[in-house]
Amino acid sequence: NAGVTQTPKFQVLKTGQSMTLQCAQDMNHEYMSWYRQDPGMGLRLIHYSVGAGITDQGEVPNGYNVSRSTTEDFPLRLLSAAPSQTSVYFCASSQDRGDYEQYFGPGTRLTVT
Amino acid sequence: DAKTTQPTSMDCAEGRAANLPCNHSTISGNEYVYWYRQIHSQGPQYIIHGLKNNETNEMASLIITEDRKSSTLILPHATLRDTAVYYCIVREGSSNTGKLIFGQGTTLQVKP
Repeated sequence: NAGVTQTPKFQVLKTGQSMTLQCAQDMNHEYMSWYRQDPGMGLRLIHYSVGAGITDQGEVPNGYNVSRSTTEDFPLRLLSAAPSQTSVYFCASSQDRGDYEQYFGPGTRLTVT
Repeated sequence: DAKTTQPTSMDCAEGRAANLPCNHSTISGNEYVYWYRQIHSQGPQYIIHGLKNNETNEMASLIITEDRKSSTLILPHATLRDTAVYYCIVREGSSNTGKLIFGQGTTLQVKP
């Protein structure tokens, strides 16, 4: 199993550009989520999904969209990038939302200039 | 906000036990204690979890006090590869959102 994969590893955007961060898992997990990590802020939940076709907002959803058309994939879209979205983004998955073990991807380091 | 308090940093000699404390004085009866760690530039990794009994797995042991207001993660024989930020997290077992609240964690430095 590859586990949780994320692409790209690094990305530089200009203010106003849009892009999609990809996340995929091959463990047939129902639950997937996106976090961002900023220095001194810990990891904060952006969006999550409890299954294909179901998504919901986390604590910092503004400026981001998600969809879950398949169990395997959970892309995160930045609609109009802003410098405040410069961060490291982590995708995670688990069997279900109550599962004790969540598997995290390697992260995408995004810089918005 | 995180419901846990951890020391900012700790050092440990290689080969010795690393004992990482965590205070969670407001923990509710249905909340579990989880430990994750994050090695530099990688995604967080699950270590262990418990409700009220002490737990042990191949990575670590978790000691929870009888009143459940604090716990200690024990790495029995720390190696240089255990250098990481360790997060103590309190969460309901049947979480509606699945959210893990990561605080600042404890930076453990294992020294040769």
